[in-house]
Amino acid sequence: DAGVIQSPRHEVTEMGQEVTLRCKPISGHNSLFWYRQTMMRGLELLIYFNNNVPIDDSGMPEDRFSAKMPNASFSTLKIQPSEPRDSAVYFCASSFIDEQYFGPGTRLTVT
Amino acid sequence: AQSVTQLDSHVSVSEGTPVLLRCNYSSSYSPSLFWYVQHPNKGLQLLLKYTSAATLVKGINGFEAEFKKSETSFHLTKPSAHMSDAAEYFCVVNTRQAGTALIFGKGTTLSVSS
Repeated sequence: DAGVIQSPRHEVTEMGQEVTLRCKPISGHNSLFWYRQTMMRGLELLIYFNNNVPIDDSGMPEDRFSAKMPNASFSTLKIQPSEPRDSAVYFCASSFIDEQYFGPGTRLTVT
Repeated sequence: AQSVTQLDSHVSVSEGTPVLLRCNYSSSYSPSLFWYVQHPNKGLQLLLKYTSAATLVKGINGFEAEFKKSETSFHLTKPSAHMSDAAEYFCVVNTRQAGTALIFGKGTTLSVSS
């Protein structure tokens, strides 16, 4: 199995631009999680889906952030407009029972 | 409510000496517990997990952890540290309800000196 796939691995963009991060979970997993990691705040859960349905989005920082899961094999996290404080590593993880498997992350830099 | 506390933010050991990373948890349910490792600029990798089958859990790379309900602890140990063990380690608790979020500790940075 290829594991959780995230793209792009690195993204550099200017403030105000729209950013879309993508995730392909492990086949057969029914839960998907988006996390953000920074030095200051550590690892934060942004949102998670169960069977493609958003269950808890209380970690989404503000309305500029949105996430979708149109099918069991694909999810996106969108930031519009982006700001420098959004710079972080964004991880996607998937699970079937309880342990989560993490993707390699997308390092986002907003200048 | 569930919570997890990693008692040390940073642990330093010499290569070849034992490693102990401490973790206490709080859970209203019978928990699942995990240790994840994150090497620099990498994603998180599952080291081991406890799901009530056995209190002593063996993981990858020679690590193991013991679940002690009376002490609400799940400490991670390794008999002999290797340079490649230098990383950040996260203790994690789950409510054992499928499809729910994990609760991460703040992490312990392990440094290994030669």
